[in-house]
Amino acid sequence: GNSVTQMEGPVTLSEEAFLTINCTYTATGYPSLFWYVQYPGEGLQLLLKATKADDKGSNKGFEATYRKETTSFHLEKGSVQVSDSAVYFCALSGHYNQGGKLIFGQGTELSVKP
Amino acid sequence: EPEVTQTPSHQVTQMGQEVILRCVPISNHLYFYWYRQILGQKVEFLVSFYNNEISEKSEIFDDQFSVERPDGSNFTLKIRSTKLEDSAMYFCASSVGTASSYEQYFGPGTRLTVT
Repeated sequence: GNSVTQMEGPVTLSEEAFLTINCTYTATGYPSLFWYVQYPGEGLQLLLKATKADDKGSNKGFEATYRKETTSFHLEKGSVQVSDSAVYFCALSGHYNQGGKLIFGQGTELSVKP
Repeated sequence: EPEVTQTPSHQVTQMGQEVILRCVPISNHLYFYWYRQILGQKVEFLVSFYNNEISEKSEIFDDQFSVERPDGSNFTLKIRSTKLEDSAMYFCASSVGTASSYEQYFGPGTRLTVT
């Protein structure tokens, strides 16, 4: 079945450091890929998405490229801020006729220190 | 901005008791979901709901679980006889459609603790 694996946390970085959170997936067909973020005390928010191979999703300085050849969707940001401290979830949604459910990775906690 | 709300934020119950978790999805959304996250584990899909019926459910969603949209605004998850292993954060989500182009909007979650 479909699954998502992302790097374990917590990840601790200094402000302005480069961020990479790895995410790989297993899926049949052509899934869509997502990154969700959860700030303390809040629900999951969509950060970015990509719906086909080689698409790049971007938002708030974060980027991720849908790589079908490596089944990956790594999250990157060039310069993190303290306000980026949160838990980041990689997720996929199956091929369009498989319904709308999201399959999540285990989440990676990011802590950015000033 | 419209948002999904959930109540209560934290529910403590004794094993064997029934609990109802409540969600108010965004008003023009048609598709509704429940997910849960056991502490330290992945967010897991439980059930999706459309047009007043379940459209998909996971293996976790056994006969102890049920969902309902009782009044056109609330969306509830009922656990009939709670077990210790039901302790988790439960998230409600809603979307306009099911295609991957439609974002699922999540509520802040209800933390269920079964003692």
